[in-house]
Amino acid sequence: DSGVTQTPKHLITATGQRVTLRCSPRSGDLSVYWYQQSLDQGLQFLIQYYNGEERAKGNILERFSAQQFPDLHSELNLSSLELGDSALYFCASSHSGSGGRTDTQYFGPGTRLTVL
Amino acid sequence: GENVEQHPSTLSVQEGDSAVIKCTYSDSASNYFPWYKQELGKGPQLIIDIRSNVGEKKDQRIAVTLNKTAKHFSLHITETQPEDSAVYFCAASYQIQGAQKLVFGQGTRLTINP
Repeated sequence: DSGVTQTPKHLITATGQRVTLRCSPRSGDLSVYWYQQSLDQGLQFLIQYYNGEERAKGNILERFSAQQFPDLHSELNLSSLELGDSALYFCASSHSGSGGRTDTQYFGPGTRLTVL
Repeated sequence: GENVEQHPSTLSVQEGDSAVIKCTYSDSASNYFPWYKQELGKGPQLIIDIRSNVGEKKDQRIAVTLNKTAKHFSLHITETQPEDSAVYFCAASYQIQGAQKLVFGQGTRLTINP
């Protein structure tokens, strides 16, 4: 158990809908990262938040957005869903996520999103 | 941009034999190289990592080597056991304006045959 929690475990929805995925980082971790894992794409970095602020962006679509709240939990919002958005979405956390030394990232169990 | 190539994509070994997975990276500024193990239905779990100031690191049956000149690093698993069967991912770090990113390889599906 990494200490990172994600809800829900599974989500089934229809095209065009909007969903919210939730992540709670390990105790004491300030950074949250979101990744998408689909069958043919491996683990793709979407976005990083550090202490409530956006720090880095990866291959995140404009239909997707995220935020980190004062209690450091994070939410990933996916809107206007398409069939191709079906994937596993992972959250990871690290102690810092900024500065000269790269911190270890610990992953949550993921949310499996199925868009029908 | 940063790229990580991982080989092989699938690997099948007999129980008790060794397994080696190799990765190359493109950004010479990368300084942190973790390896993750992902079992079916679970999130990636860190199994070992290495930083650029060392060339090798061991943890029981697992070892990682790093060649910064050639920009490649490898995972070695000795005395493999059935529970080692999983997908393994390598990653390389890079930093942009103080923010950290990990770029992952495409994964290696390791199967240990009893």
